[in-house]
Amino acid sequence: ELKVEQNPLFLSMQEGKNYTIYCNYSTTSDRLYWYRQDPGKSLESLFVLLSNGAVKQEGRLMASLDTKARLSTLHITAAVHDLSATYFCAVDLSSGTASKLTFGTGTRLQVTL
Amino acid sequence: DADVTQTPRNRITKTGKRIMLECSQTKGHDRMYWYRQDPGLGLRLIYYSFDVKDINKGEISDGYSVSRQAQAKFSLSLESAIPNQTALYFCATSDSLRQGSNQPQHFGDGTRLSIL
Repeated sequence: ELKVEQNPLFLSMQEGKNYTIYCNYSTTSDRLYWYRQDPGKSLESLFVLLSNGAVKQEGRLMASLDTKARLSTLHITAAVHDLSATYFCAVDLSSGTASKLTFGTGTRLQVTL
Repeated sequence: DADVTQTPRNRITKTGKRIMLECSQTKGHDRMYWYRQDPGLGLRLIYYSFDVKDINKGEISDGYSVSRQAQAKFSLSLESAIPNQTALYFCATSDSLRQGSNQPQHFGDGTRLSIL
């Protein structure tokens, strides 16, 4: 059974600081997704990581995938308040387009002024 | 208009009632999914459908059933609702037909269901 663990579960950080969210998973996979969820809202796709060593960046967020270590990271650079949200990683064991996703428990990020 | 529309957005009902949550999409995607979200547990897959004639159980299908009425419509039913089915429910879609596609799933806005 695939298990996906994120840490930390809650992160409070000051604006301007850097931090990393970790996503570990238990079964070999080379397909991992990061989503953002604002309170009471839907999930928004952030990154699609499809191979070992994949790195994607968008603004202050950078995601990477190490399939050998079964680890993905979401790095936040110089955090701003607008990044406050819950971030989920999700692992897909299938081939082709996103199929059966197993989600992590989420990391709630709070960026304080 | 939203690409993935869920109705109702909120519902309060009583134990034992039959509930149907509906999902429709205008994205033209072939695959559709139902998830539930509970605090501290992330999202868990209830059912998924890769086309109109293909329905599959997910991680937590007990107590739920689904119907794929058309490519664009996928409904979730709780035959006899119980309080521990109180949760936020999401419908999602994905596209397997675009060649070379490795697209993420796209989510609706969710249905908040409370069972008293």
